[in-house]
Amino acid sequence: GAVVSQHPSWVICKSGTSVKIECRSLDFQATTMFWYRQFPKQSLMLMATSNEGSKATYEQGVEKDKFLINHASLTLSTLTVTSAHPEDSSFYICSARIRRIQATQYFGPGTRLLVL
Amino acid sequence: KNEVEQSPQNLTAQEGEFITINCSYSVGISALHWLQQHPGGGIVSLFMLSSGKKKHGRLIATINIQEKHSSLHITASHPRDSAVYICALSRGGSEKLVFGKGTKLTVNP
Repeated sequence: GAVVSQHPSWVICKSGTSVKIECRSLDFQATTMFWYRQFPKQSLMLMATSNEGSKATYEQGVEKDKFLINHASLTLSTLTVTSAHPEDSSFYICSARIRRIQATQYFGPGTRLLVL
Repeated sequence: KNEVEQSPQNLTAQEGEFITINCSYSVGISALHWLQQHPGGGIVSLFMLSSGKKKHGRLIATINIQEKHSSLHITASHPRDSAVYICALSRGGSEKLVFGKGTKLTVNP
C-alpha cells in the first residue's frame, strides 16, 4: 500500500532555532501533500495544503512566514518551523494524496516537536 | 456547532465485545473517512465511504447519507484495537478533510 514517511520522528530544540520536518511518499507520487498540527487531546488541524511546484495554501491563522513549506518534488514536502517557540511544541503530521480525483489521504507517522 | 460530532468521546470495553462508534455531521459531503490513530500518534486510514457499508476484517463501517450519520463497528474487539478513532469528512470541491474530535477506545484483556 501507499507509504508516507516523516523525518525526524521527534525533535527537541531550543527556543529561537529553526526545525525542518520532511515528509516523503515512498512508493507513489503525491500531487498534493497536507500538513497538520495536533495539540494534546485535540483534533488534527490543517495548517496548509501543498501542491508540487506551486506555493502552499495556508489556513487562516497560520503564519506562512513562520511555517515554511516547500513541495519541491512529487515525493517530498518539507515544513520548516522558523524561530520556534515553546508554543510551537506540538505533533506535526503530513499526509499525501496520489491524484486530484482521489480523496484518500495517506498519513505519515508524525513528528513530535518540543521547544524548550 | 461543529460540523462533525463523534460519540462517545471515550469508550472502554472488555476483550471480545462488539464496539460501535458513531459519527454525525451537519453538512453535505462527498465522502466520509474513518481513521485510526495509534497511541504513538501514527494515523491509518481505515475506510472511505460515500454510501452503504464496507467491511474489512473485523471492522465494519456504515453510512446513512439521508440521516447524515455513520457508524464504525468492531467485532470481537481485542486490546490491539485500543486507539483513537477519528471520523473525517470530505466536502465536494474541497481537498480538505474536516475532522471529528475522535473517540478513544480502550479494550481491556
